[in-house]
Amino acid sequence: QVQLVESGGGVVQPGRSLRLSCAASGFNFNAYGIHWVRQAPGKGLEWVAAILFDGSKKFYADAVKGRFVISRDNSKNTMTLEMSSLRGDDTAVYYCAVLGGPAGGSSFDHWGQGTLVTVSS
Amino acid sequence: EIVMTQSPVTLSLFPGESATLSCRARQSVGSNLAWYQQKPGQVPRLLIYGASARANGIPDRFSGSGSGTEFTLTISGLQSEDVAVYYCQQYNNWPPLTFGGGTKVEIK
Repeated sequence: QVQLVESGGGVVQPGRSLRLSCAASGFNFNAYGIHWVRQAPGKGLEWVAAILFDGSKKFYADAVKGRFVISRDNSKNTMTLEMSSLRGDDTAVYYCAVLGGPAGGSSFDHWGQGTLVTVSS
Repeated sequence: EIVMTQSPVTLSLFPGESATLSCRARQSVGSNLAWYQQKPGQVPRLLIYGASARANGIPDRFSGSGSGTEFTLTISGLQSEDVAVYYCQQYNNWPPLTFGGGTKVEIK
């Protein structure tokens, strides 16, 4: 079955960096764009970044542009989110996801369990 | 950025009643709208895409309608397992993908 497993979350001081990873299995990883969506404690969903199936294009929310970098390795079925200059408002659960809508309107939509990033001194 | 506004913020109904959740886009998104359900402590699950197409395995008591700027998610015959926060998401014009603020559905 489709699995997306995030790792790399934790507690980090403001201004520092953190790398999140997402390991995929159970589907043709290199055929799908992958997204990061975050959810601050008790808050709603916020899209963070996306990368096309072949890594040729990357997209970012304004809130993270210039601080976060998304990448993927299709030979290893993995994706990473390099986060730098972290701030308190980056504190959230970060989900990696294959989203059906942006893929052209599809029912193929899967989310990982999420990894918690806490930015605090 | 296309701002998505959901109403009401909270909806409290008796079991068996119908729930009507609204989502409004600040500009037209065509039919490029999805609805997600997030139960307490769980990951979001896709319910509806293309404004009205049910995702795989979604019961037919969930239905979506609308186009352009006004959308509705209807839950017919509310059940206790439907307690969740429901989010709309537009994917017509991105980046950024944008979500509404959510509607929390409670059972009286």
